[in-house]
Amino acid sequence: GAVVSQHPSRVICKSGTSVKIECRSLDFQATTMFWYRQFPKQSLMLMATSNEGSKATYEQGVEKDKFLINHASLTLSTLTVTSAHPEDSSFYICSARESGRQETQYFGPGTRLLVL
Amino acid sequence: AQSVTQPDIHITVSEGASLELRCNYSYGATPYLFWYVQSPGQGLQLLLKYFSGDTLVQGIKGFEAEFKRSQSSFNLRKPSVHWSDAAEYFCAVAESEYGNKLVFGAGTILRVKS
Repeated sequence: GAVVSQHPSRVICKSGTSVKIECRSLDFQATTMFWYRQFPKQSLMLMATSNEGSKATYEQGVEKDKFLINHASLTLSTLTVTSAHPEDSSFYICSARESGRQETQYFGPGTRLLVL
Repeated sequence: AQSVTQPDIHITVSEGASLELRCNYSYGATPYLFWYVQSPGQGLQLLLKYFSGDTLVQGIKGFEAEFKRSQSSFNLRKPSVHWSDAAEYFCAVAESEYGNKLVFGAGTILRVKS
């Protein structure tokens, strides 16, 4: 089946620094990737939709200048948390939708971010 | 706005027993419904989905779900649970069959006792 990877799996950073998270589709091309955030004991919340070669579409309440998304190729999308603060600590999950097969999103294993 | 409710945060069943995980949705139009499973440290895996047609949907790993429009429900079932089924299960609804903007329930953690 389709595999999506994320890197890193865990990251700890100091407040004020920026963190980049990568999401890769390993064996398929993904025109669209999605970024979710999951707080402890809560469900996944969609942050933004990333389309290859165009600007990401952010959900209401998500700061686009704080969560920078780049989808430069059909297999890679990156999420950069800029000037991270402790309240940004969370579990970030990406998913990818295979080009030409629109019905299913394949999810990555997630990245645990802890901001001190 | 769409919403999904999973009333049970935790469920514990004995291995070999039957399982039913509840899911209720709120959506004005025809819903597109999904069940995902998440094991620790792993991504979400799609178990099954309902778009239209037969309201009883078969999925992977022996799971099935039944769409009941009158009850706005999409409950997940398995006749005999295995220890490897212990995980967290998420019900989700989307506004189209393309799975755009999936709205997830809070999840149900399944524990299996031997």
